[in-house]
Amino acid sequence: GENVEQHPSTLSVQEGDSAVIKCTYSDSASNYFPWYKQELGKGPQLIIDIRSNVGEKKDQRIAVTLNKTAKHFSLHITETQPEDSAVYFCAASSNYQLIWGAGTKLIIKP
Amino acid sequence: KAGVTQTPRYLIKTRGQQVTLSCSPISGHRSVSWYQQTPGQGLQFLFEYFSETQRNKGNFPGRFSGRQFSNSRSEMNVSTLELGDSALYLCASSSVTSGGTGELFFGEGSRLTVL
Repeated sequence: GENVEQHPSTLSVQEGDSAVIKCTYSDSASNYFPWYKQELGKGPQLIIDIRSNVGEKKDQRIAVTLNKTAKHFSLHITETQPEDSAVYFCAASSNYQLIWGAGTKLIIKP
Repeated sequence: KAGVTQTPRYLIKTRGQQVTLSCSPISGHRSVSWYQQTPGQGLQFLFEYFSETQRNKGNFPGRFSGRQFSNSRSEMNVSTLELGDSALYLCASSSVTSGGTGELFFGEGSRLTVL
């Protein structure tokens, strides 16, 4: 079945620097790749998604890139701010459900 | 517009007991999905309901079951609890049966501890 690997598990960056989180997937039929942000004590919230007919998508300081040949996609956050501190999850669609990565804890150092 | 509401937020049970968790989706949303979240394991898909019908099911044993009512509210039940069932159980609603390709709106979860 589909497997989604997410790296790193923890990422610590200086405020103002960029952060990159990477995911790989195994199902070549996957065509939808969302990223969710989970703050402490809350449920995950969609921050950006990309479909397989697009290679890159940007929304202000957040961007996602997709390489279907290599089966990997990445989340890029520029000019990080304290409120970016959270756990980030990638996911890939497979067999009418989402398969999730294990999560990345992003720490923004002041 | 009210978000997804899950009850109870916290509960403690002992091995062998059963538990029922409730989820009220966003008004107008007909799809409800359930996930189990444990540290280091991400989110594991349990099942999705749409218009009272189970549309998809993850790889969990039969002790995990669910249902959806005509008002789209959903419940999940875990019978014969095991220590490994300790987790945060998240409910997510969507305006359509997402089939894994639409935005999910999550509740804050029900944290279950099994002693």
